[in-house]
Amino acid sequence: QSVLTQPASVSGSPGQSISISCTEVDSDVATYTLVSWYQQYPGKAPKLMIYEGSKRPSGVSDRFSGSKSGNTASLMISGLRAEDEADYYCCLSAPHGPWVVFGGGTKVTVL
Amino acid sequence: QVQLVESGGGVVQPGGSLRLSCATSGFSFSTYVVHWVRQAPGKGLEWVALISFDGSSQYYSNSVKGRFTISRDNSLNTLYLQMNSLRPEDTAVYYCATNPPRWLLGSFDMWGLGTMVTVSS
Repeated sequence: QSVLTQPASVSGSPGQSISISCTEVDSDVATYTLVSWYQQYPGKAPKLMIYEGSKRPSGVSDRFSGSKSGNTASLMISGLRAEDEADYYCCLSAPHGPWVVFGGGTKVTVL
Repeated sequence: QVQLVESGGGVVQPGGSLRLSCATSGFSFSTYVVHWVRQAPGKGLEWVALISFDGSSQYYSNSVKGRFTISRDNSLNTLYLQMNSLRPEDTAVYYCATNPPRWLLGSFDMWGLGTMVTVSS
């Protein structure tokens, strides 16, 4: 079963760049599939920021970018702004049950 | 204008049942894979179930398999989740979310606002 591990928290000052990691650990076989990333404010529905590893939906700022190296995906936020303070989740699809897996989430704090 | 509106949440006793609905408009519902995703209070996102665009295939997380049933009515542009044998750990906000055609599973481009389900005696 695939498990996605994210750091609990990441912080940065306005204008800085930060990176959030998402590491896949699978006890059976590595899937290494491309992940999606979601931003969520408290009490609000998640919002898609990156899909299929590095694609940005229409309307998402180009300050957000995604990449992958081996079994670790990363979400980069450049030019950090106060409005970027939120929870971020990675997500992947697995070739077998449970089919879709979310990471535990990372709280981004803008200092 | 795209809309996904969940309804049917509420307070139910352990062992009870609820049926959630997700009414959609503004896009070609019948071409999308659709999912239910939940979030327990103060916790992260958890995928619950998905159904293929035509309703012919359904998949569930291990935590709800055998108790929950996902279905859809493409003529009404509506998604459903029948939840039976509810447990306190099912307490969460339940979101419906869409997965565009030809995108990888887990790429949820549209979300509803969610409906709260509380399982408590």
